[in-house]
Amino acid sequence: QVQLRESGPGLVKPSETLSLTCTVSGDSVTSGSYYCSWIRQPPGKGLEWIGFIYYSGSTSYNPSLESRVTMSVDTSKNQFSLELSSVTAADTAVYYCVRDGGGEGLDVWGQGTTVIVSS
Amino acid sequence: DIVMTQSPVSLPVTPGEPASISCRSNQSLLHSNGYHYLDWYLQKPGQSPQLLIYLSSNRASGVPDRFSGGGSGTDFTLKISRVEAEDLGVYYCMQSLQVPRTFGQGTKLEI
Repeated sequence: QVQLRESGPGLVKPSETLSLTCTVSGDSVTSGSYYCSWIRQPPGKGLEWIGFIYYSGSTSYNPSLESRVTMSVDTSKNQFSLELSSVTAADTAVYYCVRDGGGEGLDVWGQGTTVIVSS
Repeated sequence: DIVMTQSPVSLPVTPGEPASISCRSNQSLLHSNGYHYLDWYLQKPGQSPQLLIYLSSNRASGVPDRFSGGGSGTDFTLKISRVEAEDLGVYYCMQSLQVPRTFGQGTKLEI
C-alpha cells in the first residue's frame, strides 16, 4: 500500500524559503507509474495545484507560483521535495503531496502538513 | 488557465435521498484520445481529499457504486444515488487536461 508523508517546518518567517519533503513508502518513486503533485489549501479555502515532478526530474509548475517554486526528487531516499521562496502570509496553508496518475487522478494523498508564515 | 465552476456552493441533503453536483469548465475537457480529463474528489471534515471519479466517469478503487460521474465537453455531473451520512464534506472537481491543473471552488454537502 503506497503512502505519502509530508514533513517540514510548521512555521516560516516572511521572505524566507518554505521547504517540505514528501517521503514515499510502499512503492519506489522510480517505478515510473506516476508523478508527484504538490497541492495546497489555505485555511477555510479551496485547493490549489502548485505543480508536479516526475522521478526523472522533469517538472511543471503553476504559472502563478513558478517564479518561486522548485521541486526536486531524491531517488536514493525515495523522496520528493518542494521549496517555495520569498513566502508571505498568503502562503499559509496545508500542503499536500499527492500521487498523480495523470488522467487516472490524484489517487494517493499525504495527510498534509500545515505551514504558517509569520514573524 | 481552465476555469472550473461548481454549483451549488452548498447542498443540503437528506440521508437516503439522491444528490447531484454540477461542474462546468470554460473550455472542453475532451482529449484527443476520447476521454474527458475531469476528476471528482471528496474532502471529509479534517481529512485529506480522496479521489472518487477520474476521467469523468470511472470510479476509483473502493468507491461505492452509489457515486457516479458523467457529462461531456464542458458540463459534468457527480451524482449520489442515495446519500449516506459518511458522504458529508466538500466535493471538488478538477481538470487534468492541461497544466496548471485547476479545481472548482467546492460544493459543501451538508444536512
